[in-house]
Amino acid sequence: AQSVAQPEDQVNVAEGNPLTVKCTYSVSGNPYLFWYVQYPNRGLQFLLKYITGDNLVKGSYGFEAEFNKSQTSFHLKKPSALVSDSALYFCAVGRSYNTDKLIFGTGTRLQVFP
Amino acid sequence: GAVVSQHPSRVICKSGTSVKIECRSLDFQATTMFWYRQFPKQSLMLMATSNEGSKATYEQGVEKDKFLINHASLTLSTLTVTSAHPEDSSFYICSARDPDRQETQYFGPGTRLLVL
Repeated sequence: AQSVAQPEDQVNVAEGNPLTVKCTYSVSGNPYLFWYVQYPNRGLQFLLKYITGDNLVKGSYGFEAEFNKSQTSFHLKKPSALVSDSALYFCAVGRSYNTDKLIFGTGTRLQVFP
Repeated sequence: GAVVSQHPSRVICKSGTSVKIECRSLDFQATTMFWYRQFPKQSLMLMATSNEGSKATYEQGVEKDKFLINHASLTLSTLTVTSAHPEDSSFYICSARDPDRQETQYFGPGTRLLVL
């Protein structure tokens, strides 16, 4: 069965510092991995995805994520955090190219302090 | 990026009434749309997969007679919460899959339902 874990409920970072939001997954076969961000009372916004190819994926708003097959991880990173990055971040995994289901992690709240 | 809209954004209704939520893909055709429910401070729970021209596929534990889904066109899916009760109060989010963008799901802004 597919599953995804976000081990941190909250991550606190000072503005200007690098940030990492962790995600590990479990899936049979090749994973399809996604990061979404949710602002209060809003739907999810797509940030980036890994389907195949380069392990380092670059996405919106300066975010990137690195696919690590041996560690089954897909951590979200940004070199320099902004206060406006404060939001709820969800990692999701699908099982096939034509996946109908995404399994979401429990979310990590990122708080960037000025 | 692909745009998905939801209407209404917020609805308050009395217990026992039915509420319809619309999900539209604005700039692409979506053969598949998804309906999720999100409880406060929790992750998204997939309720059902909506396929254009066919019956929706419901996740285990989701009552299909209570949460009616219709996907009448390639750009519109509707979720009707029938005989709503206070425990149905939640944030409902739809997504649509864009087949031209490697099957990425794009999400609507969500609908906040409050049943009194």
